[in-house]
Amino acid sequence: QKEVEQDPGPLSVPEGAIVSLNCTYSNSAFQYFMWYRQYSRKGPELLMYTYSSGNKEDGRFTAQVDKSSKYISLFIRDSQPSDSATYLCAMRVIYNQGGKLIFGQGTELSVKP
Amino acid sequence: EAGVVQSPRYKIIEKKQPVAFWCNPISGHNTLYWYLQNLGQGPELLIRYENEEAVDDSQLPKDRFSAERLKGVDSTLKIQPAELGDSAVYLCASSRDADTQYFGPGTRLTVL
Repeated sequence: QKEVEQDPGPLSVPEGAIVSLNCTYSNSAFQYFMWYRQYSRKGPELLMYTYSSGNKEDGRFTAQVDKSSKYISLFIRDSQPSDSATYLCAMRVIYNQGGKLIFGQGTELSVKP
Repeated sequence: EAGVVQSPRYKIIEKKQPVAFWCNPISGHNTLYWYLQNLGQGPELLIRYENEEAVDDSQLPKDRFSAERLKGVDSTLKIQPAELGDSAVYLCASSRDADTQYFGPGTRLTVL
């Protein structure tokens, strides 16, 4: 069993829809949770970063962490065609262990005009 | 601020041939990472450098892979000899200490 599980999709939604992307994890030592966006033929870019349970908003994006259920989510409101990409969740243990990230396999999202 | 630079962007080689990838991290970033990303998968760490020192190479297949980071700046990842299963994207990332990691565009390797 992988430490981080992510539904690979693909996920196709119409423009303006609310998108929900999810990951589950097994290692309760994970403390830092990230969402990366990866466009085709590009490297991952950091979207959001949080280390506490609860919600964190940044514009149209909301990251949610539930440590008791070992479950994290990314919500995208008013989705746009430019949001079409692969979304990767990533997490790591404690800060001073060099920041080794464990990634989910990514969810491919397509937003249709 | 310039991002992480990688070259080449694409490489096609025959199996059993050697290949090398180069990475120039963001200026001032002392930590450098090499990741392997297979198609439809998330990146997996191969090796992490703190300045010149490889502090985590537990996932690097040392029989055929090697890496170096001379002078604590640029880094090179080498495969010799390449196998069909090495076809993947090789990503380089850098960070200031163990903070946010910034990724380069990757080198897409195809082994025929």
